Amino acid sequence: DAKTTQPPSMDCAEGRAANLPCNHSTISGNEYVYWYRQIHSQGPQYIIHGLKNNETNEMASLIITEDRKSSTLILPHATLRDTAVYYCIVRVGGGTSYGKLTFGQGTILTVHP
Amino acid sequence: NAGVTQTPKFRVLKTGQSMTLLCAQDMNHEYMYWYRQDPGMGLRLIHYSVGEGTTAKGEVPDGYNVSRLKKQNFLLGLESAAPSQTSVYFCASSNGRAGYNEQFFGPGTRLTVL
Repeated sequence: DAKTTQPPSMDCAEGRAANLPCNHSTISGNEYVYWYRQIHSQGPQYIIHGLKNNETNEMASLIITEDRKSSTLILPHATLRDTAVYYCIVRVGGGTSYGKLTFGQGTILTVHP
Repeated sequence: NAGVTQTPKFRVLKTGQSMTLLCAQDMNHEYMYWYRQDPGMGLRLIHYSVGEGTTAKGEVPDGYNVSRLKKQNFLLGLESAAPSQTSVYFCASSNGRAGYNEQFFGPGTRLTVL
């Protein structure tokens, strides 16, 4: 699975958009970009994933560059409850890889009032 | 629909004692996983299972054993606990469909080995 690089920490004002970057320059053509987050002391929570196209769901948007070497997770209107560690994970989807996720250090997002 | 549940939530062991952590899921998922998380670090995969009766080693399997006798349950055993196994243990499950693999995580078990 491709290695990812994320900033260790970021701040965001409540109500503003939070843009979390992730570099994955060695990503392969069959590897997906997944985002999870972990709120203090809880189990990780799936946010969104994508392969090539930009994706949006009720939680966030995922923007993947055309060359797929980087991506940005966007929380459109951050709230205090979005304070968490955000993990960007690149891996082959399902099948023979058995869905194993490799968690790095992630980005600590702190949302301020 | 409870999702993924873990038992117990907390446990303190003495070095050399044994214990079993239970993970249960009610989503009929094929795949199940055990991770550990040490302070300030990301999760590391211990063992995983792609179906009832099958298990495989992950990134850090030493000192642990697992069993998947029933599809809905995945047990993690520590035969002789060591202080290095003090950690938070998370179980997860997924349906394993190709191209889409959202994992659902349990609330975690906090284990301290003295």
